[in-house]
Amino acid sequence: DQQVKQNSPSLSVQEGRISILNCDYTNSMFDYFLWYKKYPAEGPTFLISISSIKDKNEDGRFTVFLNKSAKHLSLHIVPSQPGDSAVYFCAASGDAGGTSYGKLTFGQGTILTVHP
Amino acid sequence: DAMVIQNPRYQVTQFGKPVTLSCSQTLNHNVMYWYQQKSSQAPKLLFHYYDKDFNNEADTPDNFQSRRPNTSFCFLDIRSPGLGDAAMYLCATSPGSTDTQYFGPGTRLTVL
Repeated sequence: DQQVKQNSPSLSVQEGRISILNCDYTNSMFDYFLWYKKYPAEGPTFLISISSIKDKNEDGRFTVFLNKSAKHLSLHIVPSQPGDSAVYFCAASGDAGGTSYGKLTFGQGTILTVHP
Repeated sequence: DAMVIQNPRYQVTQFGKPVTLSCSQTLNHNVMYWYQQKSSQAPKLLFHYYDKDFNNEADTPDNFQSRRPNTSFCFLDIRSPGLGDAAMYLCATSPGSTDTQYFGPGTRLTVL
């Protein structure tokens, strides 16, 4: 049962344009959402997060939007740069009831390629 | 710079030969996690420590064990690696006051 899904395995964008990465979740207990960026042969790097009490969080070129009713979040990168090319994972936490403190449930990732 | 360090970055072992992966952190975080990530899949949580309190995921095989001798270090022991255990192993830390986790670079394990 995949509770966090990234339905687009890959996305290709021209430099300077907007990149929009999408993520859907099924567990209504999730209350904190994160985006990580991962380069080959490196660990995931934390990018930006959002609490369920908000619907938008912005940090420089990166903005995360949360639509709780649709159980959907998205990451917008504007403007996109070639250095943004990486795998992007969304993750969610707040799945109460278990013993896993702060357990993150990850999506499968979207490969973003930004062309010069 | 405060960081999460994993050693070695690449580990090759033989089928059935025990192997230990190491993680250290200079962030002074309370929580340390071990994840397994196979190609094109999401990272999968194996277990975590909140200080010395160990929490095992229900579906983590018995073949995987962990030790946390102090705040800074955490080890992943694979007692009898099988071919299916070949993967990237990621260590992460969290202060405990938020759910944001900070990852090390990972150890790529190959089982021959």
